[in-house]
Amino acid sequence: SQTIHQWPATLVQPVGSPLSLECTVEGTSNPNLYWYRQAAGRGLQLLFYSVGIGQISSEVPQNLSASRPQDRQFILSSKKLLLSDSGFYLCAWSQGQGGQPQHFGDGTRLSIL
Amino acid sequence: SQQGEEDPQALSIQEGENATMNCSYKTSINNLQWYRQNSGRGLVHLILIRSNEREKHSGRLRVTLDTSKKSSSLLITASRAADTASYFCAPNYGGSQGNLIFGKGTKLSVKP
Repeated sequence: SQTIHQWPATLVQPVGSPLSLECTVEGTSNPNLYWYRQAAGRGLQLLFYSVGIGQISSEVPQNLSASRPQDRQFILSSKKLLLSDSGFYLCAWSQGQGGQPQHFGDGTRLSIL
Repeated sequence: SQQGEEDPQALSIQEGENATMNCSYKTSINNLQWYRQNSGRGLVHLILIRSNEREKHSGRLRVTLDTSKKSSSLLITASRAADTASYFCAPNYGGSQGNLIFGKGTKLSVKP
């Protein structure tokens, strides 16, 4: 069966520090991968998606970036965090053609001080 | 915005009652999906209904789709305290990436 892992579960970082969140998927190949951010009481905002290794599409311009160095690995990064980067970050995967159900990790709660 | 708009924003019911949540969207869709999110956790996919389907069931869940009104509803029958969660609809407008546009959700509280 397929599983998705996200870490860390919680993270507290000072303003201006770098960020690296990692997401890995097991039990499937060539998945579509997604990074979302969820602010308190808000819906999910799609940040990045990837349909293959090295292929990254950005939905929202900001100081975050994403990379996909391996088929089932998706990394969210920042060189300098802003206060507005606080939130709940979720990674998800889907299989096959567009519109298939997405499967989410348990998220990373990021607090910027 | 093309996100789904859930209604109501919050719903509080007693255990055993039915819960109905509604979703409206803007333009033609390929499918519409419903997800549940327990507090502090990731989203869990519940049901996918295609644009040519009108109703779909899964256990105690019933989803309807009215493409003429661009709306969908999620009915949870005989609710349980464990159904307490936020529920999101996500219209899929097509495209090879399959991006979903999530709304702000309905926060359901089921009291024992």
